[in-house]
Amino acid sequence: DAKTTQPNSMESNEEEPVHLPCNHSTISGTDYIHWYRQLPSQGPEYVIHGLTSNVNNRMASLAIAEDRKSSTLILHRATLRDAAVYYCILRLQGAQKLVFGQGTRLTINP
Amino acid sequence: DVKVTQSSRYLVKRTGEKVFLECVQDMDHENMFWYRQDPGLGLRLIYFSYDVKMKEKGDIPEGYSVSREKKERFSLILESASTNQTSMYLCASSLWWGRAGYEQYFGPGTRLTVT
Repeated sequence: DAKTTQPNSMESNEEEPVHLPCNHSTISGTDYIHWYRQLPSQGPEYVIHGLTSNVNNRMASLAIAEDRKSSTLILHRATLRDAAVYYCILRLQGAQKLVFGQGTRLTINP
Repeated sequence: DVKVTQSSRYLVKRTGEKVFLECVQDMDHENMFWYRQDPGLGLRLIYFSYDVKMKEKGDIPEGYSVSREKKERFSLILESASTNQTSMYLCASSLWWGRAGYEQYFGPGTRLTVT
């Protein structure tokens, strides 16, 4: 499985944008990039996924580098509720499972 | 809304007991998964199932077995619980990846303590 590297922790302020980086230099052409987050005392929840193009949904945006060796999850306007551990995961096309790493613990200051 | 429910939020068992953790999903998903989560080790996949009566080992299957007799229900079995199986257990479900939908939906977790 291709590996991802994320910072252990990040901190930001409420109502400001947050950019969460993920490096995946060994990504293959058929690996999808998935982001999940885990709020305190809950199971993980899906945030967004992409293959090559940038993606937007109601929760976040995913910016994928042209060479696909890195990606950035963007929270446009952080709220206190966005404080969570964010996981960047690579999934091989056709694979049925995800492999979670350590993730980035995001703290949001009021 | 997709719902994944787990039979207990908290469970305390004794060493050597047989333990059943039950998971039920209500969205007709083909795939179901069992993970455990430990501080410093993250989420690790124990087993998953892509169809009734089908199962595949994940990364840490030792000491566990699973059962999927009905599509909506996936059980994790600890044949003889040991203290190193004290952990948070999370169940998830998803559509088959070859179809539309790439989300795994997680249950709230069961915190198991083995004494």
